[in-house]
Amino acid sequence: AQSVTQLGSHVSVSEGALVLLRCNYSSSVPPYLFWYVQYPNQGLQLLLKYTTGATLVKGINGFEAEFKKSETSFHLTKPSAHMSDAAEYFCAVSDPYGNNRLAFGKGNQVVVIP
Amino acid sequence: NAGVTQTPKFQVLKTGQSMTLQCAQDMNHNSMYWYRQDPGMGLRLIYYSASEGTTDKGEVPNGYNVSRLNKREFSLRLESAAPSQTSVYFCASSAAGSSYNSPLHFGNGTRLTVT
Repeated sequence: AQSVTQLGSHVSVSEGALVLLRCNYSSSVPPYLFWYVQYPNQGLQLLLKYTTGATLVKGINGFEAEFKKSETSFHLTKPSAHMSDAAEYFCAVSDPYGNNRLAFGKGNQVVVIP
Repeated sequence: NAGVTQTPKFQVLKTGQSMTLQCAQDMNHNSMYWYRQDPGMGLRLIYYSASEGTTDKGEVPNGYNVSRLNKREFSLRLESAAPSQTSVYFCASSAAGSSYNSPLHFGNGTRLTVT
């Protein structure tokens, strides 16, 4: 079965500093990978996704992620944190049997320190 | 654009009571999903509907039933609520069909407490 590991439930970052959220996946087939963001009292929204092709994927709000097959990783980065980046971030991998059954990681709660 | 609409936003139930969570999408999506979110657990799939007329169990289906009423609507029913079902419930939809990479569009959630 597909699975995703996100370490560190809470991540604190200073405003203006690099945001780095780690995601490692397990998949028996070439994966489709996603990062979603959840703001307080809202549903999740798509930040970016990797399907095929270029391994460096750019998303909304200045975020990007790089697919590294050799490391089974899909880490999310943003060069300079902004207060508005405070949210919960989820990595997800698609189910090989289709129907968009995503397996989600446990999430990273990002706190931005002024 | 409403997107995915969930009702109610909040609900408190007593153990043993029943209720139905409603979900509707206006994006003409084929697939719809119900997830529950618990602290430190991420999102876990309860049931999904790949297309109108079909439903399938997800990771944690016990204690729940679903109905895909039409292409727009997908409801989740708790027949006899238990405290373990206290959670935030999210409905989502996607254009999916046989595609594996259509993004999910989420509603804003229903916060359910079972006492």
